[in-house]
Amino acid sequence: QSVLTQPPSVSAAPGQKVTISCSGSSSNIGNNYVSWYQHLPGTAPKLLIYLNDKRPSGIPDRFSGSKSGTSGTLGITGLQTGDEADYYCGTWDGSAEVFGGGTKLTVL
Amino acid sequence: EVQLLESGGGLVQPGGSLRVSCAASGFTFDTYAMSWVRQAPGKGLESISGITGSGDLTYYADSVKGRFTISRDNSKDTLYLQMNSLRGEDTAVYYCAKGMSSLSFSELDYWGQGTLVTVSS
Repeated sequence: QSVLTQPPSVSAAPGQKVTISCSGSSSNIGNNYVSWYQHLPGTAPKLLIYLNDKRPSGIPDRFSGSKSGTSGTLGITGLQTGDEADYYCGTWDGSAEVFGGGTKLTVL
Repeated sequence: EVQLLESGGGLVQPGGSLRVSCAASGFTFDTYAMSWVRQAPGKGLESISGITGSGDLTYYADSVKGRFTISRDNSKDTLYLQMNSLRGEDTAVYYCAKGMSSLSFSELDYWGQGTLVTVSS
């Protein structure tokens, strides 16, 4: 059972937009920044979003992040088949870093 | 170019010990925090330990506290994870990851390819 709650799966058609939610509490998201990672099986996870809404260099602006209260949201526009992956949110939880359970994105 | 290369994984019996390493290159190692994150088969990511750039502050997930020890040798640009009293539930791919500052455990901007640890008799 993860401290942060994500939907197990989301899906959308190529070119469409999808959002992935990450729900926490005042002990984690409510008082800390949210990061988002993309993970394709067998590869190294990739940082997509940090400090709630910042993109590392090289990450296209199709990826966006936001935070409100104790929840964070990842948005992906202009979906591509290459976006099919698992997505994880992460934040500090007082004494340790924690991740959500992960959301599998299917691009239909 | 930042590179993180894990090594030392393998098969170990329950109750045994193993040390995994992460060789870093392409950045000033001692100015960045480092973390270990694992993924058990069919499960999600779990952050298990982190260490600041100077090595003076660490954290551990409850699942490994008292059994695992994180350390770093800044003269060798290498991160370590000593794993003792291993259990079946420790079977996972272990990734090392770089923080974005000397104190950051929450923004992991580079990851290694991982090393597989299997705990089984």
